[in-house]
Amino acid sequence: AQSVTQLGSHVSVSEGALVLLRCNYSSSVPPYLFWYVQYPNQGLQLLLKYTSAATLVKGINGFEAEFKKSETSFHLTKPSAHMSDAAEYFCAVTGTLWDDKIIFGKGTRLHILP
Amino acid sequence: GAVVSQHPSWVICKSGTSVKIECRSLDFQATTMFWYRQFPKQSLMLMATSNEGSKATYEQGVEKDKFLINHASLTLSTLTVTSAHPEDSSFYICSARGTSGNNEQFFGPGTRLTVL
Repeated sequence: AQSVTQLGSHVSVSEGALVLLRCNYSSSVPPYLFWYVQYPNQGLQLLLKYTSAATLVKGINGFEAEFKKSETSFHLTKPSAHMSDAAEYFCAVTGTLWDDKIIFGKGTRLHILP
Repeated sequence: GAVVSQHPSWVICKSGTSVKIECRSLDFQATTMFWYRQFPKQSLMLMATSNEGSKATYEQGVEKDKFLINHASLTLSTLTVTSAHPEDSSFYICSARGTSGNNEQFFGPGTRLTVL
């Protein structure tokens, strides 16, 4: 079984500051991990995914995440926040790429302060 | 990129009525579509998986007679909430997986259902 825990339902950072959104996972099998972003009144958009290749994954919009097996973590970072990054972010896990079920975290609302 | 639409984007109905939500893949064929429910400040919860031309597979605890899913074509799946009650009020999101082989799911914008 898989699960994810996102630490912090709300995170606020100043424009230009580092963005760090935390995600810890639990999985009985090697996991595949995802970060999705949801803007108001829009669907989920895939930011990046880890599929057992490189542990540092680069995604769209300047985001990246690092898979750390020893810490069971997959934190999302961005060096410099933009106002347009304000959104809801979801970490998700699945057992294999071919597994139908994606398990989502509760989400983290990112606020960007001017 | 792959686009998934949902209609309507929001709906208000009276208790006891039925509501149909459509999910369409606009520029690709979706062999599998998924229906999720999202409560405020909570995760997306998978309700059911539907494959074109076959019966949907429901998750444990989801009433198949209440949430009717039809996936009649490779571009359209519908979710019908039958005899809706206030506790069915929620945000319903569909996703679609194409035939390209990379197994990525593309999500619709969601439908806000409010049952009075």
